[in-house]
Amino acid sequence: EVQLVQSGAEVKKPGESLKISCKGSGYSFTSYWIGWVRQMPGKGLEWMGIIYPGDSDTRYSPSFQGQVTISADKSISTAYLQWSSLKASDTAMYYCVRKGHGAFDYWGQGTLVTVSS
Amino acid sequence: DIQMTQSPSSLSASVGDRVTITCQASQDISNYLNWYQQKPGKAPKLLIYDASNLETGVPSRFSGSGSGTDFTFTISSLQPEDIATYYCQQYDNLPPLYTFGQGTKLEIK
Repeated sequence: EVQLVQSGAEVKKPGESLKISCKGSGYSFTSYWIGWVRQMPGKGLEWMGIIYPGDSDTRYSPSFQGQVTISADKSISTAYLQWSSLKASDTAMYYCVRKGHGAFDYWGQGTLVTVSS
Repeated sequence: DIQMTQSPSSLSASVGDRVTITCQASQDISNYLNWYQQKPGKAPKLLIYDASNLETGVPSRFSGSGSGTDFTFTISSLQPEDIATYYCQQYDNLPPLYTFGQGTKLEIK
């Protein structure tokens, strides 16, 4: 069974750094792109970026380029999303997704990030 | 950038009704269009990929059609468990780019 299991909810202060994770199982982790999707409170879905764990090829949405860093450690089948300096506007639910046949066919359960002073 | 216009933004229908949601792209996207369902408090779920292909395990009352710039998502007979927000998504592979529609919140009358 394909699963993407994300790390737990985080509460941070503005200016702090953060790295959240997404562990894949039940499939060949290095053979599928893994992406990240943001959903701000009460809002729609926004694609942030995507990585191919096989060779770490990474692409970003223009809206998120330079704002976050996506990485992966194929030895432990885990992808990451990180911020170097959080802002209150980063408060959102973040989903990792697996890209299969052009669509996001599997989704993690989501990680809620709250940034507040 | 390709813009996706999804309508309506909200919809109220009765159990058994046929429900239709549309998505329009600002330029030709061939059939690179997917549909997702998000129930309250849950992660989204893929229903339809490449405009008209039903994802494995998804009930046959869900369907999609269209190509080019105009796409339609249909629930043939609305069930209570279909209460959710539905999103269209266009994609491009070179370079990778994925754009979601604004969403349609579906409620039961």
